[in-house]
Amino acid sequence: DAGITQSPRYKITETGRQVTLMCHQTWSHSYMFWYRQDLGHGLRLIYYSAAADITDKGEVPDGYVVSRSKTENFPLTLESATRSQTSVYFCASSESTEYQPQHFGDGTRLSIL
Amino acid sequence: EDQVTQSPEALRLQEGESSSLNCSYTVSGLRGLFWYRQDPGKGPEFLFTLYSAGEEKEKERLKATLTKKESFLHITAPKPEDSATYLCAVQDGSARQLTFGSGTQLTVLP
Repeated sequence: DAGITQSPRYKITETGRQVTLMCHQTWSHSYMFWYRQDLGHGLRLIYYSAAADITDKGEVPDGYVVSRSKTENFPLTLESATRSQTSVYFCASSESTEYQPQHFGDGTRLSIL
Repeated sequence: EDQVTQSPEALRLQEGESSSLNCSYTVSGLRGLFWYRQDPGKGPEFLFTLYSAGEEKEKERLKATLTKKESFLHITAPKPEDSATYLCAVQDGSARQLTFGSGTQLTVLP
């Protein structure tokens, strides 16, 4: 059982470029989430989605765009990357938001030069 | 605004030396408190959910407890393989998202 898969695992890009991080889950979970993890800040929610075509902002959404055309996929796009977006990005999914734990992928380490 | 504070930031134990990690929280209407384990280069792995004060959950050498203001993760007779960062998160009454603490990095020395 594959669970939740993120790609690429590592990415280096330059400021101003567009980059898309992919997330795929095989559980048919309704909810999907994108977090970034930085030293001293812990995990912070960027965007989440309750179902296909339904997305909402989290704590730190500026500079990011998401879409969810299929239940199993939830890509995150940085339209014009900045150095402050250098981070480790985690995708997660859950059956619902209430009482259910979120299950995480292994992350994408993104460096913006 | 929900807040989660974990202490200590880092903890080094000898194998077999029991200890506790603390997660203090302020939240408007707690729906759930979640504990995760995170190994280097990996995503957080779910351990426990606690829903109400007085609740306890156990898994192998780990036991999580919950009061109205904090949660403890007790580690009994730890082994080197228990070395990881332990994260605590709360879900408030809106149930829209989790608020995470910064974690406790646990190192168990053989």
